[in-house]
Amino acid sequence: EDKVVQSPLSLVVHEGDTVTLNCSYEVTNFRSLLWYKQEKKAPTFLFMLTSSGIEKKSGRLSSILDKKELFSILNITATQTGDSAIYLCAVEAGDTGNQFYFGTGTSLTVIP
Amino acid sequence: NAGVTQTPKFRVLKTGQSMTLLCAQDMNHEYMYWYRQDPGMGLRLIHYSVGEGTTAKGEVPDGYNVSRLKKQNFLLGLESAAPSQTSVYFCASSKILWNTEAFFGQGTRLTVV
Repeated sequence: EDKVVQSPLSLVVHEGDTVTLNCSYEVTNFRSLLWYKQEKKAPTFLFMLTSSGIEKKSGRLSSILDKKELFSILNITATQTGDSAIYLCAVEAGDTGNQFYFGTGTSLTVIP
Repeated sequence: NAGVTQTPKFRVLKTGQSMTLLCAQDMNHEYMYWYRQDPGMGLRLIHYSVGEGTTAKGEVPDGYNVSRLKKQNFLLGLESAAPSQTSVYFCASSKILWNTEAFFGQGTRLTVV
């Protein structure tokens, strides 16, 4: 059964801490892995990863994919209260990329 | 398995044709959403529903209509498809508005030619 599992389910940290969110997957015909930040009315796209070992970076956020071990991590350094959100991982799979599998998200709370 | 089911999984339409995407959830969630995902733009909210018989516009509602006649179903309609509506469509549902924990369907890839 195709699935995406995120861990931890929730996390509370202090401003300035560094956090690492995990996303593991088991799918048939992997195509890409996507990270979103869910806040307000729609998830905000963060990264799309297709190749192993290539880190993608945007400001304090970075992510990397390991296609051998079937997981990805999302790192946030020097966290701020504005980083508080649910972070979603989704995997695109299937012969023609017609299937997306979402994890249930990691709820991150950053306290001052 | 409990969750959100979308049908169809993919479809090719000609410009001007109409179609309906069906979203069904069996978790008794009050809130349901339709999003579209386009390259580099993430998910954009089309319409949403806060309960049976109610619908509301999201960020990009033009060209789409929705209905929530039954709590478990949320339908997205395209009356006259346009190439700009080529996208991947996601349905989601949640217990609390704007989630805290939203469940997503597997997506519908729509191509309008």
